[in-house]
Amino acid sequence: DIQMTQSPSTLSASVGDRVTITCRASQSVYSWLAWYQQKPGKVPKLLISYASNLQSGVPSRFSGSGSGTEFTLTVSSLQPDDFATYYCQQYYTYLWTFGQGTKVEIK
Amino acid sequence: QVTLKESGPALVKPTQTLTLTCTFSGFSLTTTGMRVNWIRQPPGKALEWLARIDWDDDEFYSTSLKTRLTISKDTSKNQVVLKMTNMDPVDTATYYCVRSRDGYIEDYWGQGTLVTVSS
Repeated sequence: DIQMTQSPSTLSASVGDRVTITCRASQSVYSWLAWYQQKPGKVPKLLISYASNLQSGVPSRFSGSGSGTEFTLTVSSLQPDDFATYYCQQYYTYLWTFGQGTKVEIK
Repeated sequence: QVTLKESGPALVKPTQTLTLTCTFSGFSLTTTGMRVNWIRQPPGKALEWLARIDWDDDEFYSTSLKTRLTISKDTSKNQVVLKMTNMDPVDTATYYCVRSRDGYIEDYWGQGTLVTVSS
């Protein structure tokens, strides 16, 4: 199974900050990488697919980059609605695997 | 409009078999490339993919859980069923069904159903 490792596990930031979350895969997943946002008690929301494709309706302050084994999710200017937990997911193999999550907290 | 909804017991006893049903609309599992996955999330923990069934009846399972899982579909009812045997308290989680297509990841999730395993 491909292991996905996110860092950091928790991130404290203020409104307006630029934040970056890193996701590393134990082997290449090429660009078959997705990012989700999840708020407490809610269903995960797909933000980015294929490493950098922003989903319709997702604010442009979110961006994704990377390929192979290293990926980043960047929020250019953190907004109050962005405090949540973020997960990366590889879908290169049929056996999807997720990172452990990064909780973005208010500083 | 694509919708998915999970149903099943909220509480199961240890050693029992869990049966969850995903009832969907807005698409057909007979369409080439269509897939339905099951994913779970223990309280406060990360997401874990469990199983997938494809339009052509192919089935795929989590490496660690494959001996306990069975996935099936009833295309006439637009349903996918997941069975998990020998339930344990560590299986307490919210279980989601999620649509995907060959080569695509999509944002079609059910609302999730919380299953608690306790005697």
